[in-house]
Parts: sequence; C-alpha cells; structure tokens
Amino acid sequence: EVLMTQSPATLSVSPGERATLSCRASESINTILAWYQQKPGQAPRLLIHGASTRATGIPARFSGSGSGTEFTLTISSLQSEDFAVYYCQQYNNWPLTFGGGTKVEI
Amino acid sequence: QVQVEESGGGVVQPGGSLRLSCAASGFTFSAYGLHWVRQVPGEGLDWVAVISSDGTNKYYAASVKGRFTISRDNARQTLYLQMNSLRVEDTAIYYCARGTGRTGYEPSDYWGQGTLVTVSS
Repeated sequence: EVLMTQSPATLSVSPGERATLSCRASESINTILAWYQQKPGQAPRLLIHGASTRATGIPARFSGSGSGTEFTLTISSLQSEDFAVYYCQQYNNWPLTFGGGTKVEI
Repeated sequence: QVQVEESGGGVVQPGGSLRLSCAASGFTFSAYGLHWVRQVPGEGLDWVAVISSDGTNKYYAASVKGRFTISRDNARQTLYLQMNSLRVEDTAIYYCARGTGRTGYEPSDYWGQGTLVTVSS
C-alpha cells in the first residue's frame, strides 16, 4: 500500500499569510493526488485533483503542485474560513490512501 | 443539486452485522463510481471500499476485506455497505462519496454527512 505522509501535523498562521502544506508518497504516484479540506462537524470537500487542478468552485488562492512522491498545497493568503484540516489522497493504486492530515490553525 | 445521504448507522455488538445505505439524487447515478470512507471522530480519513459505475469492479481496504461487501442498485440510486463480523475498531463515522468518474480510480467530489457506527458490548 502507498503510505502518504503529511507535514507538519499542525501549522499555525495568521490571516493573510501564506500556508504551505506538504504531502509525501512512499512510491511514485505521478500526479494522481487529491487534496481535501475538512472543517469540524463537516464532510471533506475536494479542493484539488490531478495534483494541481482546482475542483469546481475552489478559489484561486488554493494551488497544488508536485509529481512523483512530493506534493504541496499552497494557500496564498489565508482567509478565516480556511482554518481547517487538510488531507492528501493518492488514487493511483489500490487501496486508495489518505495522509494523516495537517491542521491549519490561527 | 447533487446529494448523497447515508443511513443505517447505530450501535452493534462485536461480531454483529449492519447494513449502511446511501441514497443519491441530482446526478446520473449509474455513471459514477462510489466510495465508502470512514473516520473515527477526531482522527483522520480511512478509505474503505469502492464500486465502479456498473458494479462490476469492487475494491476494499485490507482491514475490511472478507468482512464488508459494497454493492449498488442503480435502479434505486442507492449504494450499500454490508458489514459483518464487526470489530470495536470499526467504530467510526461512515461517509458515502461520489467519485469523479466511472471506474473508482478517481477522487471524491460529493460527500454525505456521514452515519455513525458504534461497535461496543
């Protein structure tokens, strides 16, 4: 199984600042990676697929990059509604696997 | 609009069984793969199973293979998860999620609000 490792576990940032979240795969997954946002009490929301393509309705301040085993989610200027937990997921191999998550807090 | 809604959660004893359902609307149900994903409250996401749009291909996480069965009824626009031989570690919120394509080799773009399964004696 492909192990997905996210870092840091917690990221403390101020509104308006840039946030950079990392995700590493234990083997190459090309660009077959998605990012999700989850707020307390809510279901996950798809942000990015194909490592860098924003899902429908996702603001341009969210961007994804990377290929192979190293991936990054960048939030260019954090808004109050962006404080949440973010997960990466590979869908290149069975079983699909998620990273452990990065909590973005104020 | 696209909606998926899970039901069937509850409290069950270890070794027991439960069947979850996911009713879908607002899209062509038979054109999309569907996933079950679970989450222990306060912890991370754990992918459980997927079924392709026509029901012919199914894949499972190792932790549930042989105990859980995913199925779908395209005429009823409903996804199912039959869970047998339940263990305490299966306790979680179970989400139904639509894949972005037919095969299941896709991320999930619409999620339900989840149904809580508690396995306890």
